[in-house]
Amino acid sequence: GAGVSQSPRYKVAKRGQDVALRCDPISGHVSLFWYQQALGQGPEFLTYFQNEAQLDKSGLPSDRFFAERPEGSVSTLKIQRTQQEDSAVYLCASSLGGTRRTEAFFGQGTRLTVV
Amino acid sequence: AQSVTQPDIHITVSEGASLELRCNYSYGATPYLFWYVQSPGQGLQLLLKYFSGDTLVQGIKGFEAEFKRSQSSFNLRKPSVHWSDAAEYFCAVGLRLGGSQGNLIFGKGTKLSVKP
Repeated sequence: GAGVSQSPRYKVAKRGQDVALRCDPISGHVSLFWYQQALGQGPEFLTYFQNEAQLDKSGLPSDRFFAERPEGSVSTLKIQRTQQEDSAVYLCASSLGGTRRTEAFFGQGTRLTVV
Repeated sequence: AQSVTQPDIHITVSEGASLELRCNYSYGATPYLFWYVQSPGQGLQLLLKYFSGDTLVQGIKGFEAEFKRSQSSFNLRKPSVHWSDAAEYFCAVGLRLGGSQGNLIFGKGTKLSVKP
């Protein structure tokens, strides 16, 4: 597709349930980022991939959060045993990466509500 | 540590009036700087970016921003606001990974309301 695609757009999970959020980056984009945006806040960095390698996961809030990008394209953010504080919009972004100074393009996000 | 401050949480301007949204950053080197706009329920759309060179940057929708190193600022301006500009605006610093842009550090955002 032409842009970054995220699915599902909305997800309601019961507390304790596991969820998986999908990101399809722009074709050919090397870098992929995940962000968490709580209500009324700016996005906060979670993790970064360069191709299939997860180079930075310093923003993941706990070991319940796990991200992967096994073939260097589609990425999945998994949250185990969801808690109410996990309710947020999860944004994915991709960029060409490498030495090219180009911006990241964002998907529309997945709004996760934990009840 | 890197950080971005947007001192104004909410601004209201009249349609046709000028606009300036403030952004200050803390970063140990020359930063990559960005302004994004977010409408309700939507993702982030890039308005403009600064990587290097001319410190006055033109963006889409008639927006511009000026990088002032001495003030660690990157304020967003528009000479005449339209009702469709009502949205949330985020300033961000892009960390450098070699020559490319790494992850972004965002401010908390400024919500813009436009009155007729």
